[in-house]
Amino acid sequence: AQTVTQSQPEMSVQEAETVTLSCTYDTSESDYYLFWYKQPPSRQMILVIRQEAYKQQNATENRFSVNFQKAAKSFSLKISDSQLGDAAMYFCAYRSNTGNQFYFGTGTSLTVIP
Amino acid sequence: DVKVTQSSRYLVKRTGEKVFLECVQDMDHENMFWYRQDPGLGLRLIYFSYDVKMKEKGDIPEGYSVSREKKERFSLILESASTNQTSMYLCASSFISGSSYEQYFGPGTRLTVT
Repeated sequence: AQTVTQSQPEMSVQEAETVTLSCTYDTSESDYYLFWYKQPPSRQMILVIRQEAYKQQNATENRFSVNFQKAAKSFSLKISDSQLGDAAMYFCAYRSNTGNQFYFGTGTSLTVIP
Repeated sequence: DVKVTQSSRYLVKRTGEKVFLECVQDMDHENMFWYRQDPGLGLRLIYFSYDVKMKEKGDIPEGYSVSREKKERFSLILESASTNQTSMYLCASSFISGSSYEQYFGPGTRLTVT
C-alpha cells in the first residue's frame, strides 16, 4: 500500500505571512493524483487543491499553491497571505489512477496568529 | 454542490450495543468510504464500496461491518460497540473514474461508547 507522510504535526504562521506544509509519499506507480484537504475545527473536510501526476505544472488555487516534485515524491502546500480562516487541520492524500482507495497522511495542524 | 450527509453529528452508546451510522450522498458516486479519525493517526479506512452490495475491507475492519443496498446510501455497523471504538467517523464518496477524482466528505459523527 502507498504511504503518505506529513512530518509536521503542528505549524504556526503570522497572519498575512506565507507558510509551507510538507508531504511526501511512497509509490511505484507513475500515474496518480495528489490532494490537500482542509478540516476546520468542528467543520467538514473540504478539498483545497489537487494535482495530477502527469501534469508538470504546479496547481494553484488563489492563495494556495503546491510544489510537486515527482522524482522526489514530494507534494508541499504553500499558503500565501495567511488568514485567520486558514486555521485548520490539513491532510495530504494520494489516489492511484487505477484504484479506488485514497491514502491519507496524519495531518498538520495549522495555527494562524493574529 | 455535492452533498454528503451523515445521520448523526454526535452519538453516545453503551458498551455492547449495536450501532448504525448512516451516510447518504446525492451525486451518484460509485465509491463510498468509511473512515475513522483519531488524533495523531489521521484517517484510517474501515471499509469502502465501489458498487451496490459490493464492499472491500480497509485497514481496520475488525469490529465493523457495512451495508450498501442502494447506490446513495452506505451504512457502517458496529456489531457490539466497545470503548476503543470511541472516535470520529467520516463518510466520503467519489466517482470511480472521470475528471473529478477527489473525495467528498460528510460532516462526521463523533461517537462515544461508555
